[in-house]
Amino acid sequence: ETGVTQSPTHLIKTRGQQVTLRCSSQSGHNTVSWYQQALGQGPQFIFQYYREEENGRGNFPPRFSGLQFPNYSSELNVNALELDDSALYLCASSGSSGMGADTQYFGPGTRLTVL
Amino acid sequence: AQSVTQLGSHVSVSEGALVLLRCNYSSSVPPYLFWYVQYPNQGLQLLLKYTSAATLVKGINGFEAEFKKSETSFHLTKPSAHMSDAAEYFCAVTNNNNDMRFGAGTRLTVKP
Repeated sequence: ETGVTQSPTHLIKTRGQQVTLRCSSQSGHNTVSWYQQALGQGPQFIFQYYREEENGRGNFPPRFSGLQFPNYSSELNVNALELDDSALYLCASSGSSGMGADTQYFGPGTRLTVL
Repeated sequence: AQSVTQLGSHVSVSEGALVLLRCNYSSSVPPYLFWYVQYPNQGLQLLLKYTSAATLVKGINGFEAEFKKSETSFHLTKPSAHMSDAAEYFCAVTNNNNDMRFGAGTRLTVKP
């Protein structure tokens, strides 16, 4: 069984640029959540996708957007990058069963540096 | 909205000593609670979760946590620390499963 994978591992961008981060969910999972983890802090919820539809969003501006594909992989897009966007971006997948809190399985993350 | 507070950003114990990492939650409805561990330059790994089935939850690597509603706590314990337990630990809470709130984390150091 393949776990959650993310690409790229590291990325360096400059202010104002756009970036796309990718996530492949664990086999059998139909839900993907994205988190931003700034240095020395806990992860913060960006949004969640369930069966290709956005299913909840945290307190992030619209320049953070996402997609989920029919195979349940997902992308996180960030436009007009700011210095404060520098962080570890984590993707987590889960199999929504409707039977309570499904366990979220995390990928290794993408480290984004904005200069 | 739900939230968690982790008391102590750094905890240091000797190898073989008891590990106690504190987490208090705030939630208007019965919560689901989680403990995750993060090793350097890695993602988060689930240690254990509480989903109301039992108040004492046993997880991986010898960790366990007890849900105490009266104290709104979900502290993580391990009877005997190993060097390999050195990592960052996060407590998290969710109600509806699409907005998981994490604490700021506790860095555990294990001294030989």
